[in-house]
Amino acid sequence: AQKITQTQPGMFVQEKEAVTLDCTYDTSDPSYGLFWYKQPSSGEMIFLIYQGSYDQQNATEGRYSLNFQKARKSANLVISASQLGDSAMYFCAMRGLRGFKTIFGAGTRLFVKA
Amino acid sequence: GAVVSQHPSRVICKSGTSVKIECRSLDFQATTMFWYRQFPKQSLMLMATSNEGSKATYEQGVEKDKFLINHASLTLSTLTVTSAHPEDSSFYICSARDLAERNYGYTFGSGTRLTVV
Repeated sequence: AQKITQTQPGMFVQEKEAVTLDCTYDTSDPSYGLFWYKQPSSGEMIFLIYQGSYDQQNATEGRYSLNFQKARKSANLVISASQLGDSAMYFCAMRGLRGFKTIFGAGTRLFVKA
Repeated sequence: GAVVSQHPSRVICKSGTSVKIECRSLDFQATTMFWYRQFPKQSLMLMATSNEGSKATYEQGVEKDKFLINHASLTLSTLTVTSAHPEDSSFYICSARDLAERNYGYTFGSGTRLTVV
């Protein structure tokens, strides 16, 4: 069975500082993909970053980077230089490459303070 | 590229009526679409997988007679909430699988907020 765990229901960060959102996962699939999505109050799911299980390097997309530690089964999201517009709900998700389902963690609400 | 349109964005209906939500891939063909439900301050829970031209696959605990899914074309899947009750009030969001793998394969619609009164 697959499982995604996000243990931080809420996080605060000062504007312009970096923040790490934690995500651990469990799967029996040998190949899988890990995703982070941002969900603002409007409800849309905004794709942020992807990490494949066989990727040798950590994924980066602008201010977003994924700290992938395969042995520890963790895929933490790092947001650098936080902006007020980063305040939102953040979901970690996983999809096994043998199947099509994407499962989501419980989410972390990020509050960026001015 | 890889845009998914979901309509309506908000709907209020009376208890006992049915509501249809559309999920449409605008610039790609989606043989597989997914329907999620999200209660306030909770995560997305997969309800069902919709496959073009065949019956949907429902997750355990989801009533297939209550949540009717139709995927009659490569660009459109619909979710009909039948005989809606207040407990069906939720945020419903679809995603479509893009074989061209843009967005690493999955694009979400903007969601539908259903309120049953």
